[in-house]
Amino acid sequence: SQKIEQNSEALNIQEGKTATLTCNYTNYSPAYLQWYRQDPGRGPVFLLLIRENEKEKRKERLKVTFDTTLKQSLFHITASQPADSATYLCALDAGSGYSTLTFGKGTMLLVSP
Amino acid sequence: GAVVSQHPSWVICKSGTSVKIECRSLDFQATTMFWYRQFPKQSLMLMATSNEGSKATYEQGVEKDKFLINHASLTLSTLTVTSAHPEDSSFYICSARGGEGARDTQYFGPGTRLTVL
Repeated sequence: SQKIEQNSEALNIQEGKTATLTCNYTNYSPAYLQWYRQDPGRGPVFLLLIRENEKEKRKERLKVTFDTTLKQSLFHITASQPADSATYLCALDAGSGYSTLTFGKGTMLLVSP
Repeated sequence: GAVVSQHPSWVICKSGTSVKIECRSLDFQATTMFWYRQFPKQSLMLMATSNEGSKATYEQGVEKDKFLINHASLTLSTLTVTSAHPEDSSFYICSARGGEGARDTQYFGPGTRLTVL
């Protein structure tokens, strides 16, 4: 069955460091992968989308890589700030017409001042 | 752009009553809307997908007679939890996809916290 795995334990880092979150998947061939941020009691907020033919995508302090051979995506936040503390979700989509997103459980990131 | 709203943001109801949750795309036309449910420390679980003007497609294990979905216009979808019970207490989130700026991406509403007593 399709499976998406994200680090279940919270990631604690110090302000200013780079946070790296991992998303691994099995039994899936996504056309693209998305990363979302979710704060407690709120809906997810879209951050980045990367397609299967793209290796890397950047947006301000965010960088996403997508390795379809390893079936893995890495999500980096450089120069992290306490305001970056949240749960980050990866989601996969087969990409056809009305296809749906399948979400991982998310990884909680805690950035200490 | 691509803003999705939900109403209400939270609701408390008695067991056996029905609750309606509205989801609106504010600045784009949503050809497809999705309803998710999320329990504490769990991932978002897709309940159903609805396309404007047609019947919703429910995921396996989701009772269509209990969770009524209506997507009557390109900017509004509603989820009605009928005869709610305490086990229906959860965080319900809608998302919308459609339009030039939101073709591949789902934009999520802020969620509705349902508590059934």
